[in-house]
Amino acid sequence: GENVEQHPSTLSVQEGDSAVIKCTYSDSASNYFPWYKQELGKGPQLIIDIRSNVGEKKDQRIAVTLNKTAKHFSLHITETQPEDSAVYFCAAVSGGGADGLTFGKGTHLIIQP
Amino acid sequence: NAGVTQTPKFQVLKTGQSMTLQCAQDMNHEYMSWYRQDPGMGLRLIHYSVGAGITDQGEVPNGYNVSRSTTEDFPLRLLSAAPSQTSVYFCASSRPGTGGNYGYTFGSGTRLTVV
Repeated sequence: GENVEQHPSTLSVQEGDSAVIKCTYSDSASNYFPWYKQELGKGPQLIIDIRSNVGEKKDQRIAVTLNKTAKHFSLHITETQPEDSAVYFCAAVSGGGADGLTFGKGTHLIIQP
Repeated sequence: NAGVTQTPKFQVLKTGQSMTLQCAQDMNHEYMSWYRQDPGMGLRLIHYSVGAGITDQGEVPNGYNVSRSTTEDFPLRLLSAAPSQTSVYFCASSRPGTGGNYGYTFGSGTRLTVV
């Protein structure tokens, strides 16, 4: 089955700086890669996603890049703000989406004022 | 629309007790799935369903049963709770797709403690 590795487990950046979180996956059949933000006591919330036929996607301060050959994808957050502090999870989906998400273990992003 | 609704939000069980975690969605999604979240482990798939009457095992199915009698509901049953099942449980629904977006939507979770 699919295996998703996520790094780093904790990331501390100064407010206004950029943050990058990286994930690798093992199953070349995976075709959809969402990123979730989870705040304390809440469920994961989708913040951005990318399909396997796209190399990069941007939504305001958030961007995701995908390298299918190397089987890795990354989340980029620019101009970080205090409200960006949370745990971020990458995930991968294969097989038409029927058999669930495989998650990375999460990155705790801390924005220092 | 309420999205995905999970009940209860909190539960304390004694070892050996049974209970059912409820999950309901109102988005007419075909697919539903259950995950558990443990510190440092991310979310791991327990069971999933591609439609009414069809279920399958995920990465960590032992100790859990599921059934899918309707499109809307996907309950998770613990037949004999163990301390190792102390966790936060999330239910999700999604729809078929080709190359995404599958519309995965998560509930707010059930925090279960087994003593």
